[in-house]
Amino acid sequence: SQQGEEDPQALSIQEGENATMNCSYKTSINNLQWYRQNSGRGLVHLILIRSNEREKHSGRLRVTLDTSKKSSSLLITASRAADTASYFCATDAGGSYIPTFGRGTSLIVHP
Amino acid sequence: EAQVTQNPRYLITVTGKKLTVTCSQNMNHEYMSWYRQDPGLGLRQIYYSMNVEVTDKGDVPEGYKVSRKEKRNFPLILESPSPNQTSLYFCASSPLRTDQPQHFGDGTRLSIL
Repeated sequence: SQQGEEDPQALSIQEGENATMNCSYKTSINNLQWYRQNSGRGLVHLILIRSNEREKHSGRLRVTLDTSKKSSSLLITASRAADTASYFCATDAGGSYIPTFGRGTSLIVHP
Repeated sequence: EAQVTQNPRYLITVTGKKLTVTCSQNMNHEYMSWYRQDPGLGLRQIYYSMNVEVTDKGDVPEGYKVSRKEKRNFPLILESPSPNQTSLYFCASSPLRTDQPQHFGDGTRLSIL
């Protein structure tokens, strides 16, 4: 069962613009993670945010978490063509060891 | 180098011919998992294992088998493949903690004719 759902499904922007994608989930979590997938390749972990954190930064990535709304957002600032990929959120529903992934947001950054 | 290795990377085969996709990790992770990825459906979990000799069904286990005889290996077995199992498959591993990332293999693209 898919706990996290990303929105939008697809996003197309120009290089230099910011990209924002959202993840909503249904049950309480301990942690939420964001992953990136280049076309046809394995997912790569980007960032983890704990339920008691509201915001986290890593380079050009900014992740927020609103547990009251059961949602998270991933912001990529000053996007580059190399950021073109699919982005997935993964949650540990109810503290389960089994992460559940959403369907992902496909980001295209035009040079 | 810490990694999850899947083999083969690509396979074209015919309906009914048994096949095994191997997965091996060198990080001493307890948790291992198989996913399939299809357009528009995201990642769907097939089977997972929390330790040696402990396996359990994910969301789409029908038509698949797994085994976990050693901690590092978690093969995916298709006893009688069918065309609807044509997909991109990923193996992943992690420590048995919710605050640790999953490490993914590079994927295996299976085509069942």
